[in-house]
Amino acid sequence: DTGVSQDPRHKITKRGQNVTFRCDPISEHNRLYWYRQTLGQGPEFLTYFQNEAQLEKSRLLSDRFSAERPKGSFSTLEIQRTEQGDSAMYLCASSRSPGRTGDAEAFFGQGTRLTVV
Amino acid sequence: GESVGLHLPTLSVQEGDNSIINCAYSNSASDYFIWYKQESGKGPQFIIDIRSNMDKRQGQRVTVLLNKTVKHLSLQIAATQPGDSAVYFCAEIFQGGKLIFGQGTELSVKP
Repeated sequence: DTGVSQDPRHKITKRGQNVTFRCDPISEHNRLYWYRQTLGQGPEFLTYFQNEAQLEKSRLLSDRFSAERPKGSFSTLEIQRTEQGDSAMYLCASSRSPGRTGDAEAFFGQGTRLTVV
Repeated sequence: GESVGLHLPTLSVQEGDNSIINCAYSNSASDYFIWYKQESGKGPQFIIDIRSNMDKRQGQRVTVLLNKTVKHLSLQIAATQPGDSAVYFCAEIFQGGKLIFGQGTELSVKP
């Protein structure tokens, strides 16, 4: 499977614990995005990387959230001191840098569903 | 701020009928839009895109129409099939490839 891969698919954690999610993008894609999606809503942008550089962070990304992409390949999203409001689907997407029409298409992974109890 | 929204949260159609899903956007400077399909438990899947220099774009069984005057997008699905049942989102691409999604329309296809 050469699509975007996310791990784990599901995570249940107790409030206050730290969690880390991993995303493996499509190998030739230099852009990687993280989104959060709650039930009945569209995905909300959190942050994105071009290669290993984190170029933009949403105001939704509080200081409890940190994302890394150390070698410009896979990425991790860590949430410290989880709260019940963090319960959501965390989606990762990757794309090539926009160029010709269609090159900017972002491919999404299956997501990691986080439940904070 | 910028926002992309949808007119109807749910749409139910009979198998074989055509479906039309609508979307309004607020940023008149937007120049690139995408429709995504999301099935339960899965990530969004690209359907079709359109740039602001076009009014219409066709794919396989899908057509996207863009009306820049009223800042409105629509997705037309021809001969809707049960496999088309999903939530459909329009999204606007911003600098860096960041996507701003609307709330979504749930399409239900009755056999």
